[in-house]
Amino acid sequence: NAGVTQTPKFRILKIGQSMTLQCTQDMNHNYMYWYRQDPGMGLKLIYYSVGAGITDKGEVPNGYNVSRSTTEDFPLRLELAAPSQTSVYFCASSPRTGWADTQYFGPGTRLTVL
Amino acid sequence: GEDVEQSLFLSVREGDSSVINCTYTDSSSTYLYWYKQEPGAGLQLLTYIFSNMDMKQDQRLTVLLNKKDKHLSLRIADTQTGDSAIYFCAETSPPSNTGKLIFGQGTTLQVKP
Repeated sequence: NAGVTQTPKFRILKIGQSMTLQCTQDMNHNYMYWYRQDPGMGLKLIYYSVGAGITDKGEVPNGYNVSRSTTEDFPLRLELAAPSQTSVYFCASSPRTGWADTQYFGPGTRLTVL
Repeated sequence: GEDVEQSLFLSVREGDSSVINCTYTDSSSTYLYWYKQEPGAGLQLLTYIFSNMDMKQDQRLTVLLNKKDKHLSLRIADTQTGDSAIYFCAETSPPSNTGKLIFGQGTTLQVKP
């Protein structure tokens, strides 16, 4: 299994541009999450999904959108990039068969908005 | 709201024990986790403890939970240079059944040879 894969690894955007961060998992996990990690800070939840067709907001959803048309894919869309969205973005998935289920993280996408 | 706090930096010598501390505010926290992040990588679960436990040991790792003080610690015995990483404390609590985690800021562990 490849686990959780994210593309691209790095990206530089200009203010106002749009992009989609891709996330795919091959573990048949129902639950998927998007986090952002700012320097010196913990991870903040942007959006999450408990299954195909179901998404919900996390702590910091403003400026982002998500969709979940399949179990495997959970793309994150930035519509009008702003410097405040410069961050490292992590996607994670979980089987959620119990409270202590681990979340499996992808390697991250480092995004800079100039 | 829920909050998780950690000290930002710890430096130890190879072979020493490391103790990384974490405090949390949500008294209904059900599970508390320790994740490790190596440079340029995603987070990897190290261990977790259920809120009705005081201690959990897993090879070189010992987790201590003081529910009264809402304090969690991770002890790494015989710390190696390969343990150099950022360590995150995280918690999850009911009634959410979504597995949402609240993370601390992370503690950077530097292990000197």
